[in-house]
Amino acid sequence: GAVVSQHPSWVICKSGTSVKIECRSLDFQATTMFWYRQFPKQSLMLMATSNEGSKATYEQGVEKDKFLINHASLTLSTLTVTSAHPEDSSFYICSASGSSGRQVSSYNEQFFGPGTRLTVL
Amino acid sequence: AQRVTQPEKLLSVFKGAPVELKCNYSYSGSPELFWYVQYSRQRLQLLLRHISRESIKGFTADLNKGETSFHLKKPFAQEEDSAMYYCALVGTSYGKLTFGQGTILTVHP
Repeated sequence: GAVVSQHPSWVICKSGTSVKIECRSLDFQATTMFWYRQFPKQSLMLMATSNEGSKATYEQGVEKDKFLINHASLTLSTLTVTSAHPEDSSFYICSASGSSGRQVSSYNEQFFGPGTRLTVL
Repeated sequence: AQRVTQPEKLLSVFKGAPVELKCNYSYSGSPELFWYVQYSRQRLQLLLRHISRESIKGFTADLNKGETSFHLKKPFAQEEDSAMYYCALVGTSYGKLTFGQGTILTVHP
Protein backbone atom coordinates (compact mmCIF):
# COMPACT_ATOMS: atom_id res chain seq x y z
CA GLY A 1 0.00 0.00 0.00
CA ALA A 2 0.85 3.70 0.14
CA VAL A 3 1.71 4.17 -3.51
CA VAL A 4 2.23 7.60 -5.04
CA SER A 5 2.39 8.12 -8.79
CA GLN A 6 3.51 11.05 -10.87
CA HIS A 7 2.67 11.93 -14.43
CA PRO A 8 4.43 12.50 -16.70
CA SER A 9 7.68 10.80 -15.77
CA TRP A 10 9.54 13.13 -18.09
CA VAL A 11 8.66 16.14 -20.20
CA ILE A 12 10.49 18.38 -22.64
CA CYS A 13 9.04 21.77 -23.44
CA LYS A 14 9.94 25.03 -25.12
CA SER A 15 10.88 28.09 -23.15
CA GLY A 16 7.85 30.20 -22.30
CA THR A 17 5.34 27.37 -22.19
CA SER A 18 3.61 25.97 -19.11
CA VAL A 19 3.90 22.42 -17.87
CA LYS A 20 1.59 20.59 -15.48
CA ILE A 21 2.78 17.69 -13.32
CA GLU A 22 0.31 15.45 -11.53
CA CYS A 23 0.83 13.65 -8.24
CA ARG A 24 -1.63 10.98 -7.18
CA SER A 25 -1.98 8.87 -4.07
CA LEU A 26 -3.33 5.57 -5.36
CA ASP A 27 -4.44 3.75 -2.26
CA PHE A 28 -4.79 6.25 0.54
CA GLN A 29 -6.17 9.68 1.23
CA ALA A 30 -3.40 12.25 1.14
CA THR A 31 -4.35 15.12 3.39
CA THR A 32 -0.98 16.72 2.77
CA MET A 33 1.21 16.70 -0.30
CA PHE A 34 4.70 18.09 -0.66
CA TRP A 35 6.57 19.20 -3.76
CA TYR A 36 10.34 18.98 -3.94
CA ARG A 37 12.96 19.88 -6.45
CA GLN A 38 16.11 17.81 -6.78
CA PHE A 39 19.24 18.75 -8.67
CA PRO A 40 21.55 16.01 -9.95
CA LYS A 41 23.09 14.06 -7.08
CA GLN A 42 22.01 16.72 -4.64
CA SER A 43 19.52 17.05 -1.87
CA LEU A 44 15.79 17.49 -2.15
CA MET A 45 14.66 21.04 -1.70
CA LEU A 46 11.14 21.49 -0.40
CA MET A 47 9.23 23.90 -2.60
CA ALA A 48 5.77 23.90 -1.05
CA THR A 49 3.33 22.09 1.17
CA SER A 50 -0.28 21.70 0.18
CA ASN A 51 -3.21 20.61 2.26
CA GLU A 52 -6.36 19.41 0.55
CA GLY A 53 -8.78 22.21 -0.05
CA SER A 54 -6.53 25.05 1.00
CA LYS A 55 -3.82 27.19 -0.51
CA ALA A 56 -0.32 25.86 -0.68
CA THR A 57 2.36 27.13 1.65
CA TYR A 58 5.52 28.01 -0.25
CA GLU A 59 9.05 27.90 1.08
CA GLN A 60 11.11 31.04 1.14
CA GLY A 61 12.48 31.91 -2.27
CA VAL A 62 9.95 29.85 -4.24
CA GLU A 63 7.79 31.99 -6.53
CA LYS A 64 4.17 31.03 -6.00
CA ASP A 65 3.09 32.69 -9.24
CA LYS A 66 5.57 30.61 -11.17
CA PHE A 67 4.95 27.29 -9.47
CA LEU A 68 1.21 26.94 -9.15
CA ILE A 69 0.04 24.18 -6.85
CA ASN A 70 -3.47 22.83 -6.65
CA HIS A 71 -4.65 20.16 -4.21
CA ALA A 72 -8.29 19.86 -5.07
CA SER A 73 -8.89 16.33 -3.83
CA LEU A 74 -7.48 13.87 -1.32
CA THR A 75 -5.80 11.90 -4.09
CA LEU A 76 -4.51 14.53 -6.50
CA SER A 77 -2.18 17.49 -6.41
CA THR A 78 -0.81 19.31 -9.43
CA LEU A 79 2.24 21.49 -9.92
CA THR A 80 2.18 23.84 -12.90
CA VAL A 81 5.42 25.46 -13.94
CA THR A 82 4.30 28.61 -15.72
CA SER A 83 6.34 30.30 -18.43
CA ALA A 84 9.10 27.75 -18.00
CA HIS A 85 12.71 28.70 -18.65
CA PRO A 86 15.84 26.56 -18.97
CA GLU A 87 16.78 27.25 -15.36
CA ASP A 88 13.55 25.50 -14.32
CA SER A 89 14.90 22.26 -15.74
CA SER A 90 15.10 19.85 -12.85
CA PHE A 91 13.73 16.72 -11.25
CA TYR A 92 10.47 17.40 -9.46
CA ILE A 93 9.31 14.96 -6.78
CA CYS A 94 6.08 14.89 -4.86
CA SER A 95 5.28 13.11 -1.65
CA ALA A 96 2.03 12.44 0.12
CA SER A 97 1.07 11.79 3.69
CA GLY A 98 -2.23 11.07 5.32
CA SER A 99 -4.32 8.33 6.82
CA SER A 100 -2.25 5.38 5.68
CA GLY A 101 -2.32 3.57 8.97
CA ARG A 102 1.43 3.85 9.46
CA GLN A 103 1.52 6.66 11.93
CA VAL A 104 3.72 5.84 14.90
CA SER A 105 4.18 9.35 16.15
CA SER A 106 2.87 12.81 15.45
CA TYR A 107 4.66 12.55 12.13
CA ASN A 108 2.72 11.06 9.25
CA GLU A 109 5.12 9.20 6.99
CA GLN A 110 5.62 10.73 3.57
CA PHE A 111 5.45 8.42 0.57
CA PHE A 112 7.34 9.60 -2.44
CA GLY A 113 6.47 9.59 -6.08
CA PRO A 114 8.97 8.46 -8.72
CA GLY A 115 9.65 12.01 -9.85
CA THR A 116 9.26 13.97 -13.09
CA ARG A 117 12.21 15.07 -15.18
CA LEU A 118 11.53 18.49 -16.72
CA THR A 119 13.75 19.78 -19.49
CA VAL A 120 13.10 23.26 -20.82
CA LEU A 121 14.73 24.05 -24.16
CA ALA B 1 15.95 26.97 11.88
CA GLN B 2 16.46 23.29 11.27
CA ARG B 3 19.42 21.93 9.39
CA VAL B 4 20.81 18.51 8.53
CA THR B 5 24.42 18.00 7.56
CA GLN B 6 25.90 14.93 5.90
CA PRO B 7 29.61 15.68 5.64
CA GLU B 8 30.43 12.90 3.19
CA LYS B 9 29.16 13.24 -0.35
CA LEU B 10 30.77 9.95 -1.40
CA LEU B 11 31.61 6.86 0.63
CA SER B 12 33.19 3.71 -0.73
CA VAL B 13 33.71 0.46 1.13
CA PHE B 14 34.32 -3.16 0.24
CA LYS B 15 31.74 -5.86 0.69
CA GLY B 16 31.76 -7.19 4.23
CA ALA B 17 33.34 -4.08 5.70
CA PRO B 18 31.58 -1.95 8.30
CA VAL B 19 30.03 1.26 7.09
CA GLU B 20 28.98 4.43 8.87
CA LEU B 21 27.19 7.31 7.20
CA LYS B 22 27.40 10.44 9.27
CA CYS B 23 24.57 12.83 9.98
CA ASN B 24 24.48 15.84 12.25
CA TYR B 25 21.52 18.05 12.84
CA SER B 26 20.62 21.43 14.22
CA TYR B 27 17.25 21.97 15.81
CA SER B 28 16.21 23.78 18.95
CA GLY B 29 13.47 21.38 20.02
CA SER B 30 13.08 17.61 19.99
CA PRO B 31 13.21 16.49 16.39
CA GLU B 32 12.37 13.22 14.78
CA LEU B 33 15.19 11.84 12.66
CA PHE B 34 14.99 9.57 9.66
CA TRP B 35 17.16 7.88 7.10
CA TYR B 36 15.84 7.65 3.55
CA VAL B 37 17.41 5.62 0.76
CA GLN B 38 17.22 6.01 -2.99
CA TYR B 39 18.43 3.05 -5.03
CA SER B 40 19.42 3.57 -8.64
CA ARG B 41 16.40 4.51 -10.78
CA GLN B 42 14.03 4.06 -7.87
CA ARG B 43 12.03 6.42 -5.74
CA LEU B 44 13.00 7.67 -2.34
CA GLN B 45 11.91 5.36 0.46
CA LEU B 46 12.07 5.39 4.21
CA LEU B 47 14.82 3.20 5.62
CA LEU B 48 14.40 3.79 9.33
CA ARG B 49 13.32 6.32 11.92
CA HIS B 50 14.83 6.87 15.32
CA ILE B 51 11.55 6.65 17.18
CA SER B 52 11.02 3.06 16.07
CA ARG B 53 14.44 1.92 17.23
CA GLU B 54 14.38 -0.84 14.65
CA SER B 55 16.97 -2.39 12.39
CA ILE B 56 16.19 -2.48 8.69
CA LYS B 57 18.35 -4.44 6.24
CA GLY B 58 20.98 -4.65 8.95
CA PHE B 59 21.19 -0.88 9.36
CA THR B 60 20.84 0.85 12.70
CA ALA B 61 20.99 4.46 13.77
CA ASP B 62 21.12 5.89 17.26
CA LEU B 63 20.05 9.40 18.07
CA ASN B 64 22.73 11.13 20.14
CA LYS B 65 21.21 14.32 21.45
CA GLY B 66 24.43 15.41 23.12
CA GLU B 67 26.33 15.30 19.87
CA THR B 68 23.23 16.12 17.77
CA SER B 69 24.03 13.17 15.56
CA PHE B 70 22.13 10.33 13.94
CA HIS B 71 24.77 8.24 12.20
CA LEU B 72 23.70 5.24 10.12
CA LYS B 73 25.67 2.05 10.66
CA LYS B 74 25.90 -1.42 9.26
CA PRO B 75 28.50 -3.95 10.45
CA PHE B 76 28.86 -5.81 7.14
CA ALA B 77 28.08 -3.89 3.96
CA GLN B 78 26.58 -5.68 0.96
CA GLU B 79 26.77 -4.72 -2.71
CA GLU B 80 23.02 -4.17 -2.79
CA ASP B 81 23.45 -1.44 -0.19
CA SER B 82 24.95 0.82 -2.85
CA ALA B 83 22.59 3.79 -3.07
CA MET B 84 22.08 7.42 -2.16
CA TYR B 85 21.29 7.88 1.53
CA TYR B 86 19.59 10.93 2.97
CA CYS B 87 19.32 11.87 6.59
CA ALA B 88 16.20 13.91 7.33
CA LEU B 89 14.62 15.75 10.21
CA VAL B 90 11.09 16.68 11.11
CA GLY B 91 10.52 19.45 13.60
CA THR B 92 7.16 20.72 14.59
CA SER B 93 6.22 22.47 11.38
CA TYR B 94 3.43 20.42 9.83
CA GLY B 95 5.57 17.38 9.21
CA LYS B 96 7.99 19.09 6.87
CA LEU B 97 11.10 17.09 6.19
CA THR B 98 14.46 18.78 6.01
CA PHE B 99 16.96 16.67 4.10
CA GLY B 100 20.70 16.53 4.31
CA GLN B 101 22.80 16.75 1.18
CA GLY B 102 22.92 13.00 0.77
CA THR B 103 25.74 10.47 0.74
CA ILE B 104 26.36 8.16 -2.20
CA LEU B 105 27.43 4.80 -0.81
CA THR B 106 29.26 2.43 -3.11
CA VAL B 107 29.99 -1.09 -1.92
CA HIS B 108 32.62 -2.79 -4.02
CA PRO B 109 32.73 -6.58 -4.47
